[in-house]
Amino acid sequence: KAGVTQTPRYLIKTRGQQVTLSCSPISGHRSVSWYQQTPGQGLQFLFEYFSETQRNKGNFPGRFSGRQFSNSRSEMNVSTLELGDSALYLCASSPSGGGVGDTQYFGPGTRLTVL
Amino acid sequence: GESVGLHLPTLSVQEGDNSIINCAYSNSASDYFIWYKQESGKGPQFIIDIRSNMDKRQGQRVTVLLNKTVKHLSLQIAATQPGDSAVYFCAENYYNAGGTSYGKLTFGQGTILTVHP
Repeated sequence: KAGVTQTPRYLIKTRGQQVTLSCSPISGHRSVSWYQQTPGQGLQFLFEYFSETQRNKGNFPGRFSGRQFSNSRSEMNVSTLELGDSALYLCASSPSGGGVGDTQYFGPGTRLTVL
Repeated sequence: GESVGLHLPTLSVQEGDNSIINCAYSNSASDYFIWYKQESGKGPQFIIDIRSNMDKRQGQRVTVLLNKTVKHLSLQIAATQPGDSAVYFCAENYYNAGGTSYGKLTFGQGTILTVHP
């Protein structure tokens, strides 16, 4: 099976712009979670989608949003970019997103740099 | 103000040694734990997992130990190889009927493992 794929791998934006990142989960996985990884805060949960519905959300401002399509592919959007949004954005997929043993598998990430 | 980065613990070993990486988790209700390995420029890679009703689980060259009494998790790597050099993260999850934990892993700060040939 192909793994989790994320596009693009690298992005450079300027403050105030918006950005959209894409994630394709492992075939058959219906849950997609997004994480932000920074040297200062480590890996932090952004949100989770299942069957096109956001079921869980981390402690991030409303500028961070996402969606999921009927084929389980997901996108996340960050509006009005700030310098502090520079990070590695990771997407993970799992069969159902809940329950013991529902392992998340990660993509390679999108490296976002905000200038 | 100036942000303070995480100061990750480091572990340096010689090739062929056994390595032990420790992790203290935060939620006594957590019922599922995972170890991930992250190499430079890559996403976290699944290594091994353990459920809270177990105290030990073995994989290929790796063993995870869980001590719920003190909320401690460890990863043992046998015969460590240079290719094992990476940052290792423990992650925890708990499942509740209310669903507020859906898809959310809580990660430890990570440990940098360096293996010298």
